[in-house]
Amino acid sequence: QKEVEQDPGPLSVPEGAIVSLNCTYSNSAFQYFMWYRQYSRKGPELLMYTYSSGNKEDGRFTAQVDKSSKYISLFIRDSQPSDSATYLCAMRGGLYNNDMRFGAGTRLTVKP
Amino acid sequence: DAGITQSPRHKVTETGTPVTLRCHQTENHRYMYWYRQDPGHGLRLIHYSYGVKDTDKGEVSDGYSVSRSKTEDFLLTLESATSSQTSVYFCAISESRERGNEQFFGPGTRLTVL
Repeated sequence: QKEVEQDPGPLSVPEGAIVSLNCTYSNSAFQYFMWYRQYSRKGPELLMYTYSSGNKEDGRFTAQVDKSSKYISLFIRDSQPSDSATYLCAMRGGLYNNDMRFGAGTRLTVKP
Repeated sequence: DAGITQSPRHKVTETGTPVTLRCHQTENHRYMYWYRQDPGHGLRLIHYSYGVKDTDKGEVSDGYSVSRSKTEDFLLTLESATSSQTSVYFCAISESRERGNEQFFGPGTRLTVL
């Protein structure tokens, strides 16, 4: 069983829809949770990060972490065609822990 | 984009040949990483460096070695390439502990081993 599970999709939504992306994990030592966005043929870029449980909002993006359920989510409001990309969840045990574990990524397409 | 370049960007090689991939940064970041990305597996850490000549193994280090003789360069070597090492390889750098120790990724190298 993988430490981090993420539905690979693909996920296709119309422009303006609310998108929900999710990951589950098994290692209770994870404390830092990240979402990276990766456009086709490009390297990933950090979109959101959260420490421990709770919510964090940044513009149209909201990240949620539920450590009791070992479940993290990324919500995208008013989705745009420019949001079409692969979204990867990532997590690590501590700030000084360099061994980050990634989900497989969910490919999202937002249709105009 | 963070100042990270990878070379070559594409390479096709044959089984059993040695291959070296180069990552070059202009940001003077302390930490550098090599990942591979495969369908269904996401990104997996191969090796990382926390300073010149200081390196450590990651999750999938077998068959790979690294070297860092200068702050700006981190080399990944496949001593004897195998078909299972066909992948997209990403280099990443980090310095600050802000934003969850954000890592900045390079553009990737697509390696095919025949």
